[in-house]
Amino acid sequence: QVTLKESGPVLVKPTETLALTCTVSGFSLRDSRLGVSWIRQPPGKALEWLAHIFSNDEKSYSTSLKSRLTISKDTSNSQVVLTMTNMDPVDTATYYCARIVVAGPPLRYYFDYWGQGTLVTVSS
Amino acid sequence: SYELTQPPSVSVSPGQTARITCSGDALPKKYAYWYQQKSGQAPVLVIYEDTKRPSGIPERFSGSSSGTMATLTISGAQVDDEAAYYCYSMASSGNHGVFGGGTKLTVL
Repeated sequence: QVTLKESGPVLVKPTETLALTCTVSGFSLRDSRLGVSWIRQPPGKALEWLAHIFSNDEKSYSTSLKSRLTISKDTSNSQVVLTMTNMDPVDTATYYCARIVVAGPPLRYYFDYWGQGTLVTVSS
Repeated sequence: SYELTQPPSVSVSPGQTARITCSGDALPKKYAYWYQQKSGQAPVLVIYEDTKRPSGIPERFSGSSSGTMATLTISGAQVDDEAAYYCYSMASSGNHGVFGGGTKLTVL
């Protein structure tokens, strides 16, 4: 059974750094056909793709947020970590991690399993 | 940056066919994927690679793509299909993912 679970602070102050952990089970972060992505959703708004990481440690970031994001993985502990620096109230959102299925060539990927999401509020 | 455009809302009566569109310049070369998100829940994949339906998704959900537009069709929409629907694809260069702005489907 594939599961993903997000964890981290529910409240952060402006300018602080957010660190979120995605703990996965039912698949391996070593599987070359799979990866993990982070996606967020402000209250009442659309989904926004943030970053992904593949088994070979290849990473990609949202162009608009690239300077603030870092994604990494701990394969042994089945965890993927996302850090976002200089948090602002506009970053208030539910943050999801999702499993990526990799296909191709040409490279294409999509999300087949999602975590339940964790709401992060940015406020002083 | 690359964008996918969806209508904000679509409304149909139960039993009617609902069509939700997604337009993007890279769609002739990139697959479209569709996610259903009910209130307070995580998204669920309903269509992948333009036309394929994951196991467990009802047959009334279908997808198509032509040129710069992808379409999600729900034939015989049910009240339970009320949700927000998001298209997803990849930018033409690099491997960045992009979501559309979402379409709220009302069935009543």
